[in-house]
Amino acid sequence: AQSVAQPEDQVNVAEGNPLTVKCTYSVSGNPYLFWYVQYPNRGLQFLLKYITGDNLVKGSYGFEAEFNKSQTSFHLKKPSALVSDSALYFCAYPKAAGNKLTFGGGTRVLVKP
Amino acid sequence: SQTIHQWPATLVQPVGSPLSLECTVEGTSNPNLYWYRQAAGRGLQLLFYSVGIGQISSEVPQNLSASRPQDRQFILSSKKLLLSDSGFYLCAWSVGSWGANVLTFGAGSRLTVL
Repeated sequence: AQSVAQPEDQVNVAEGNPLTVKCTYSVSGNPYLFWYVQYPNRGLQFLLKYITGDNLVKGSYGFEAEFNKSQTSFHLKKPSALVSDSALYFCAYPKAAGNKLTFGGGTRVLVKP
Repeated sequence: SQTIHQWPATLVQPVGSPLSLECTVEGTSNPNLYWYRQAAGRGLQLLFYSVGIGQISSEVPQNLSASRPQDRQFILSSKKLLLSDSGFYLCAWSVGSWGANVLTFGAGSRLTVL
């Protein structure tokens, strides 16, 4: 079955340190992959997506993600985390036809000052 | 620019009461519309999907229903709420059905069933 997985429920990082949020995928063919962020009691906001081409994708708020086909991963990264990056992060892919996004379980990021 | 509105923002309802959550999109035509539920502050589950007026696809069997009476209006309903219907309900829209299109989400409606 096709899916995306986020192996970490929570990631803790000190402000100014690099941040990595992991995502692995099991999607056939050439996958479209997305990252969204959710701040407390808010809807999801789009960060970035991979369609094809350059494996390094740059997105909003200084985030980037690297598509790695051999490791079937699409990890989200930020070189220097901010306290305001504390939120819930979701990896996602569109299931079948109709652009129906299916989400991973989410990773809570806590950036400590 | 396009905007999406959801209301009410919060709702507390007794078990067995009806439900109506509304979502409207402005600034676009013929959007794809989606209802997701987020339980326990974590995972997101797609409940309903619509590509046009009166065209609703149910993704999971449940106590809820959806309707699309107008192009940019999407309503989530229940005749009798269950405790398990509690959660954070998110409406979203996208342009077309291409898998690489971005979904834009509303601010959500938090439902507590007591």
